Amino acid sequence: QVTLRESGPALVKPTQTLTLTCTFSGFSLSTDGMCVNWIRQPPGKALEWLARIDWDDDKYYSTSLKTRLTISKDTSKNQVVLTMTNMDPVDTATYYCARGNGAAAGTDFDYWGQGTLVTVSS
Amino acid sequence: QSVLTQPPSVSGAPGQRVTISCTGSSSNIGANYDVHWYQQLPGTAPKLLIYGDINRPSGVPDRFSGSKSGTSASLAITGLQAEDETDYYCQSYDSSLSGVVFGGGTKLTVL
Repeated sequence: QVTLRESGPALVKPTQTLTLTCTFSGFSLSTDGMCVNWIRQPPGKALEWLARIDWDDDKYYSTSLKTRLTISKDTSKNQVVLTMTNMDPVDTATYYCARGNGAAAGTDFDYWGQGTLVTVSS
Repeated sequence: QSVLTQPPSVSGAPGQRVTISCTGSSSNIGANYDVHWYQQLPGTAPKLLIYGDINRPSGVPDRFSGSKSGTSASLAITGLQAEDETDYYCQSYDSSLSGVVFGGGTKLTVL
């Protein structure tokens, strides 16, 4: 049974750095073809892909947010961590981690975490 | 402004058939990258509905189907039910952006 769960602060101040952790089970990120992605959704708005990390530690980032994002993994802990620097109120959103169903660039996301709402406010 | 364009809303009566379009360009759907569809109930995470243009994950009713042609894709829902009333998103990959792209989402209303 595949599960993912996001954790992190519910509130961050502008200019601070956000660190989110995705803890998963039911699969291993050391298995060929596996990847974990981060996606966010501002309240009432559409989904936005942020980043992806592959089983072989390849990393991919949204072009528009690339300078602010870092994704990493701890295979032994079954965790993926996303950091986003210089947070702004427009970054207020529910942040999801999701498993990619394969190694293709445009793979689908077959399992999602419940999401964690992050509010950016002073 | 999303890279993939979906109608903001569609509606249909119970039992009817509706389609939701997802229009892209030559750098995403037109480049033959897969299109995937998600259903998102209020307050919950998106759920994979269609993957690889036309495939349904186990457990998804066959009332849901996907298609793709040129630079567009569509999600069709037949035999509309009240429980289908929610938001739907398409997803693909864009080679110009070198990243995953989503549509702006479509709210389905069952009349």
